[in-house]
Amino acid sequence: GAVVSQHPSRVICKSGTSVKIECRSLDFQATTMFWYRQFPKQSLMLMATSNEGSKATYEQGVEKDKFLINHASLTLSTLTVTSAHPEDSSFYICSARWGGQGYTFGSGTRLTVV
Amino acid sequence: GQQLNQSPQSMFIQEGEDVSMNCTSSSIFNTWLWYKQEPGEGPVLLIALYKAGELTSNGRLTAQFGITRKDSFLNISASIPSDVGIYFCAGKRYPYSGGGADGLTFGKGTHLIIQP
Repeated sequence: GAVVSQHPSRVICKSGTSVKIECRSLDFQATTMFWYRQFPKQSLMLMATSNEGSKATYEQGVEKDKFLINHASLTLSTLTVTSAHPEDSSFYICSARWGGQGYTFGSGTRLTVV
Repeated sequence: GQQLNQSPQSMFIQEGEDVSMNCTSSSIFNTWLWYKQEPGEGPVLLIALYKAGELTSNGRLTAQFGITRKDSFLNISASIPSDVGIYFCAGKRYPYSGGGADGLTFGKGTHLIIQP
């Protein structure tokens, strides 16, 4: 089946620094990947849609200059949280559309900004 | 924006009982998906529904795509301890095969707790 590998699984960073999260589709090509954010005990909220070779599409209220998305190849999309602050602490999850199985998700990245 | 109303928020049941949860929306969705999420993990797809009225089973799980395209339910029969987790419904505006690479809209989740 389709597998999306997401790294790192956990990261702690200092306030003001940047953090990069990677998502790779291991056995299929993902022309589109999606990035979600999930706060504790809450639902997943779509942040942006990442398209290979073009600019990402951001959902309303998501700062594109703060959450930089790059989708340079058909198997890799990255999300960089720039100048992170404690309020950016959250669970970030990527997802890719695959075949007839709906959307497959990465295992998530727990970001803690101290 | 689009919202999915998922209920109940949480369920405390005895092992062996059947479970039912549902999602409703004020907007039409052309694809409904049900996921289960374990703590610290990404969601795992349980059942995907692509046609209005569709009823699909996956082992002890059964889900239906409402005829109005604005609702879906998930049933779990004869619950077992490993069913514990958070279940999410998710909707997609465009038909799966009809293009439209939009992301999913998720319900708020149903937290299933099973008492032995």
